[in-house]
Amino acid sequence: AQSVAQPEDQVNVAEGNPLTVKCTYSVSGNPYLFWYVQYPNRGLQFLLKYITGDNLVKGSYGFEAEFNKSQTSFHLKKPSALVSDSALYFCAVRAPLGGYNKLIFGAGTRLAVHP
Amino acid sequence: DGGITQSPKYLFRKEGQNVTLSCEQNLNHDAMYWYRQDPGQGLRLIYYSQIVNDFQKGDIAEGYSVSREKKESFPLTVTSAQKNPTAFYLCASSIPEGQGNSPLHFGNGTRLTVT
Repeated sequence: AQSVAQPEDQVNVAEGNPLTVKCTYSVSGNPYLFWYVQYPNRGLQFLLKYITGDNLVKGSYGFEAEFNKSQTSFHLKKPSALVSDSALYFCAVRAPLGGYNKLIFGAGTRLAVHP
Repeated sequence: DGGITQSPKYLFRKEGQNVTLSCEQNLNHDAMYWYRQDPGQGLRLIYYSQIVNDFQKGDIAEGYSVSREKKESFPLTVTSAQKNPTAFYLCASSIPEGQGNSPLHFGNGTRLTVT
């Protein structure tokens, strides 16, 4: 079955420290992977995607993600966290659905960056 | 600026009443989607439409209905048949799905409370 797992409900990190938000996936075929961020009472904003090519993908706001095929992971990273990075982060993967490519979302990880 | 507008931001209804959530986009996107977000569950797909006058059920379509009479508009009706309608509803759009790697653009959501 196609699925996405975000094993941590919440990640806490001090401002200035590196952060990692974990994501693993299960999908048949080559995965198309995405990260989105959601601020309170707002819609989701696209951060970055992996389709093919370099395993390290750079995205918006200084975020990057590393695709690891052997571990079926796509962890989100940032070298130095900001308080303003505090938000809800969603990993997602494309999966086929009767001729349509459906986006399957993880349950989300809340990132809290402390001053 | 191009974007997706959802209205209203907050909506309160009595149990047993149908309610329609508005979603309008000026991004010239062919594909539009409705998701439901509940705490700790990520996003679940309700309905999607890849072209005007066509739409398909997602994972949790029971108790919901949609129409797609115009490219710009994809309203969602939450009917009295939906057993647990209180949730945050998100509308999204994208370029045609055939490309498989296009990110979704989200509106800022409608928070529906049914009592």
